[in-house]
Amino acid sequence: TQLLEQSPQFLSIQEGENLTVYCNSSSVFSSLQWYRQEPGEGPVLLVTVVTGGEVKKLKRLTFQFGDARKDSSLHITAAQPGDTGLYLCAGGYNQGGKLIFGQGTELSVKP
Amino acid sequence: ETGVTQTPRHLVMGMTNKKSLKCEQHLGHNAMYWYKQSAKKPLELMFVYNFKEQTENNSVPSRFSPECPNSSHLFLHLHTLQPEDSALYLCASSQWSGSWNEQFFGPGTRLTVL
Repeated sequence: TQLLEQSPQFLSIQEGENLTVYCNSSSVFSSLQWYRQEPGEGPVLLVTVVTGGEVKKLKRLTFQFGDARKDSSLHITAAQPGDTGLYLCAGGYNQGGKLIFGQGTELSVKP
Repeated sequence: ETGVTQTPRHLVMGMTNKKSLKCEQHLGHNAMYWYKQSAKKPLELMFVYNFKEQTENNSVPSRFSPECPNSSHLFLHLHTLQPEDSALYLCASSQWSGSWNEQFFGPGTRLTVL
């Protein structure tokens, strides 16, 4: 079974704090996507990483793909209430467009 | 319209009703997907269409019937649903490719089965 384990599942922090979300698997992926989803809306793609060890930054968000392409992390610096949402990681394989999704991390940033 | 659109956004139906969900993508993609999202569960892939051909059916009950008339439109026909089918139904599209697999989602249809 192809599984992506995300941790933590829930995170409640104060504005200004830093946090890291992890996404782990025993499978090797050709690509790893991170999505953010707000209540009542569909997931929105934040970033795609494809190279082992790759690091991408999107303002206060830093994404890293593990060297073996089995895991990834999302680090948010100085979190803001606008960062609140469900963060999903998804792994892709070479055999087509199918993605395997993690169960998500629900982030709440309180002012 | 841009991106991926879904209608209706909300749907309440009885167990004996027949209804359809519609999805349209304006991104020029060649693959479309239906997902089910229930509370506290990972996104569940239901169906995949690649160049209008169904390439995956993840053991979805026959009360859900997909239709893909062309690469831009995807429907999910619903009949005799159960209360446990209440969920957010998401449509996504992508360019079917070797490795990047980026999918773009619609806003979803919130379905409630009474």
